[in-house]
Amino acid sequence: QKEVEQDPGPLSVPEGAIVSLNCTYSNSAFQYFMWYRQYSRKGPELLMYTYSSGNKEDGRFTAQVDKSSKYISLFIRDSQPSDSATYLCAMTSWSGGGADGLTFGKGTHLIIHP
Amino acid sequence: DTGVSQNPRHKITKRGQNVTFRCDPISEHNRLYWYRQTLGQGPEFLTYFQNEAQLEKSRLLSDRFSAERPKGSFSTLEIQRTEQGDSAMYLCASSPDNQETQYFGPGTRLLVL
Repeated sequence: QKEVEQDPGPLSVPEGAIVSLNCTYSNSAFQYFMWYRQYSRKGPELLMYTYSSGNKEDGRFTAQVDKSSKYISLFIRDSQPSDSATYLCAMTSWSGGGADGLTFGKGTHLIIHP
Repeated sequence: DTGVSQNPRHKITKRGQNVTFRCDPISEHNRLYWYRQTLGQGPEFLTYFQNEAQLEKSRLLSDRFSAERPKGSFSTLEIQRTEQGDSAMYLCASSPDNQETQYFGPGTRLLVL
């Protein structure tokens, strides 16, 4: 079992729909959680960051973390065709003084059709 | 500042050749990371620098791979005796001290023939 599981999709939804993207993880030491958006042949772009459990909202995006279930989500409201991309969840146990690479999911390929 | 930059953006080489990639992090970011991403997968951590010191290396970083950050600014990643399995996107990221969020460059896409 991989440390971070993410359904690769593709996930196809109509424009204007609410999109729900999810990841599960197995390492209980993870405490920092991020979502990145990656367009084809480009580098990942940081979208959202959350620490520990709870919700965080930024415009049309809401990130949710449930550490008890080891489950994180990203919601996109009023989805647009320009949101079509691969969405990667990433996490780390980073303790502040040490060095930790991010552990990524495979990414979910999202398609928003007009 | 325009973010993390990487050069070249694309590299095609023959098996057995050596290649070197360069990463320029966001200025004043002391932490620099290298990742590798293959098709359909998320990025995988390779190595980490705090200023000029290489503090962490993944088991993915075989002996053919070497990374440097000589003055604590830009970094280079060299692959010696390339193999077809090295074909991937090589990503660089940077972050300020005491922040866990990492900012990625556009990547260098390597194709080994």
